[in-house]
Parts: sequence; structure tokens; C-alpha cells
Amino acid sequence: ETGVTQSPTHLIKTRGQQVTLRCSSQSGHNTVSWYQQALGQGPQFIFQYYREEENGRGNFPPRFSGLQFPNYSSELNVNALELDDSALYLCASSKKLAGVRSVADEQYFGPGTRLTVT
Amino acid sequence: AQSVTQPDIHITVSEGASLELRCNYSYGATPYLFWYVQSPGQGLQLLLKYFSGDTLVQGIKGFEAEFKRSQSSFNLRKPSVHWSDAAEYFCAVAPSSGYSTLTFGKGTMLLVSP
Repeated sequence: ETGVTQSPTHLIKTRGQQVTLRCSSQSGHNTVSWYQQALGQGPQFIFQYYREEENGRGNFPPRFSGLQFPNYSSELNVNALELDDSALYLCASSKKLAGVRSVADEQYFGPGTRLTVT
Repeated sequence: AQSVTQPDIHITVSEGASLELRCNYSYGATPYLFWYVQSPGQGLQLLLKYFSGDTLVQGIKGFEAEFKRSQSSFNLRKPSVHWSDAAEYFCAVAPSSGYSTLTFGKGTMLLVSP
């Protein structure tokens, strides 16, 4: 069973640039959630994708966007980067059963992408 | 809105001593409750979870947690800490209805002294 993988591991960008982060789900999982973890903070929910559609969103501006592909992998895109976007970005995959409130859809986390904006 | 408070930013425990990490939550109903551990450079690993039933839940690596509805708490315990337990610990809640997302506390860093 392959776990959740994320790429790249580290990334340095300049303010105003755009960035794309990638996540491959654990085998058999169909849902991907993205979280931002600033230094010294707990992860904050950005959004979740299920069946290639956004399935919920946290308190993040529209310049944070995402995609989910037919193979359930996902991308997080951030436009117009700001210094405060520097953080560890975590992807988590889970298996949601159609029509069932999967009990909090136990989420499996990847190792994260460390983004530094200068 | 739901929230999670972990009042201790850092805790230092001697190896072999017992451990209790505190977690309080704010939510209109009983949420689903989780403890995760994060080692340096690693993602989050689920230690244990509470959905319903027995209020004392057992997890991996010898951890357990007790849900106390009256205190809105879900404290994590371990009877004997090992040096390898040094890491950051996060308490999280998810709503018992609606879509499943996690709200995390700010974490407690556990340091283990020899």
C-alpha cells in the first residue's frame, strides 16, 4: 500500500509569484484535503476535493485554488504569493463512501511541502 | 465555530515518567476527537480517535485518551514515556455532521529528558 506523497519537498518563491504543489493519494482513497501549517501553529484546513469537485473550503482567499484528477491525485495552486503564505502545506487523503457520512473520513497525511516566500 | 485549545505549548517529561497532554474543545455538540503526532520533518500520524461509546480510547504506541463531556476535554496520556515520544502533539476535532474536516489545536511540544 502506497502512502500519501507530496512534491516538491521544499520550495522557495518570490512574493507575487505563483506556485503549484502536488499530492498523490494513498491507494484506494478518493478524497484529498489540503492544510496550511504556519510555523508554531496547528494545521489549518484550506479545502477538500471529492470526485474532482471542491467539497468544502476553509477561510482562505480565492487565490488558493485546487484540482483533483481522475486518479484522485491533487494540486494546490497559490497565486500572487504573499510572505504570510510561507508555511508547511500538508495533503491528506481519505476514503469517502458515497451516501455515507464516513466518520470524519480518517485522514492520512503526507510529509508536506515546505514553502518559503521571500 | 468549533475550536481546540491545547494550553501547554511545551512540556518536558523524564524518560519513564507518565505523561498527560491537555486538550479542550468548543463545539455545539459532541464532535469527533483525534490526537495526532508530528515528528520533525514528518507529516501527521494518527494516534487515536473518539467517535462514540467507551470514553477511554486506546491508541498506538501505548497512548490512550479520555473523553470527558462535562469538561469538554480529551486529554492524552501515556504511563511511561520513551525518548522516541519526543515530538509535537496535536489535538483535533471534526464535526459529527456535515463534511469532514479537521480543526487542530496549536500543538504541544513534548521534550523527553534522560
